[in-house]
Amino acid sequence: KNQVEQSPQSLIILEGKNCTLQCNYTVSPFSNLRWYKQDTGRGPVSLTIMTFSENTKSNGRYTATLDADTKQSSLHITASQLSDSASYICVVSERTSYDKVIFGPGTSLSVIP
Amino acid sequence: DGGITQSPKYLFRKEGQNVTLSCEQNLNHDAMYWYRQDPGQGLRLIYYSQIVNDFQKGDIAEGYSVSREKKESFPLTVTSAQKNPTAFYLCASSMDGSIYEQYFGPGTRLTVT
Repeated sequence: KNQVEQSPQSLIILEGKNCTLQCNYTVSPFSNLRWYKQDTGRGPVSLTIMTFSENTKSNGRYTATLDADTKQSSLHITASQLSDSASYICVVSERTSYDKVIFGPGTSLSVIP
Repeated sequence: DGGITQSPKYLFRKEGQNVTLSCEQNLNHDAMYWYRQDPGQGLRLIYYSQIVNDFQKGDIAEGYSVSREKKESFPLTVTSAQKNPTAFYLCASSMDGSIYEQYFGPGTRLTVT
């Protein structure tokens, strides 16, 4: 069964610190992997998208990595800010007749002053 | 929220009543989707539509219905047959299938008592 798992489930860090969120997936055949940021009560907003041939992609203070061999991805947040407090969702697409999208449960990040 | 609007933001209904959630996009996207989000779970696909006048069931379509009479509109009806309708509902659109980034609306929180 195609699944996407994320760890940790929740994380609390001090403002200014770095953190790394993990995503493991069993989706096959793989199409692409995305990281979304979802503020409480809002819709998710895309941070990065990576295809099979890409192993790193940055968006400001966010850097995503992808290891398609081990089926792992990480999202690294540098110099965290209070506004980074949100849920971060890993989304993997399965290549079918139309790419099926599978969402991870998310990691809830709280940045405290 | 990327040109997608959902209304209302909060919706309250009595058990046994059907309710329709609105989703409109002005991005000229072909594909539209409805997801349900419950605490601690990944988004789950209810219905999707790749072109006007055509839609497909997702993973949890029972108790829901949709229509796609116009490219920009994809309303979702939660029927009385849906056993646990209280949830956060998200509408999304993408240019052409999930290989492209999905843009999400702000969501509608439905509470049924």
